[in-house]
Amino acid sequence: NAGVMQNPRHLVRRRGQEARLRCSPMKGHSHVYWYRQLPEEGLKFMVYLQKENIIDESGMPKERFSAEFPKEGPSILRIQQVVRGDSAAYFCASSPGGSAVAEAFFGQGTRLTVV
Amino acid sequence: AQKVTQAQTEISVVEKEDVTLDCVYETRDTTYYLFWYKQPPSGELVFLIRRNSFDEQNEISGRYSWNFQKSTSSFNFTITASQVVDSAVYFCALSDNNTDKLIFGTGTRLQVFP
Repeated sequence: NAGVMQNPRHLVRRRGQEARLRCSPMKGHSHVYWYRQLPEEGLKFMVYLQKENIIDESGMPKERFSAEFPKEGPSILRIQQVVRGDSAAYFCASSPGGSAVAEAFFGQGTRLTVV
Repeated sequence: AQKVTQAQTEISVVEKEDVTLDCVYETRDTTYYLFWYKQPPSGELVFLIRRNSFDEQNEISGRYSWNFQKSTSSFNFTITASQVVDSAVYFCALSDNNTDKLIFGTGTRLQVFP
């Protein structure tokens, strides 16, 4: 999983604030995936993006959550008006995409705590 | 629908014992990949293996081995001569053929006692 960079590693927000989580994919990777891991649970897919496009957002909550992957810069997962239930570890993965390989490299995660 | 089941929530063993973590999957795709990840107490995800659906050969890497059987839709993971450092949560995952997103099982927490 070397190469996928997530920051911050830990983020504390008060209820009602906004949280911004950043993910820089591995060099040469144009596909980014966000996953959420609630305490004591497995990872759940949230959203899949390619540069400037959202490909699959079937796992994103309908409100307050958004994601982008601009042409330049990292992918951003934004959570508006955070609530205690948003406390979780958020993992980003990247892949080169295409049919040749299906392997995702994970970042170290951002642990969001809402107080 | 695609699904990964790890029926064992928690396993405890004593050091040097062998332990097998079960993984059963469901998919309608003919081409897919299966993965195992390790999540130690520090929280990061450590990639262990990726297996293509067309390759049913068992794989061994040091003390780790994997048994892939399409007939039973299982991809089990065995640790031989377990060590305390193997204590972690282990996740099995299945890739979606169209998007490459991963469907994770709920994980098995392995505790190895000295």
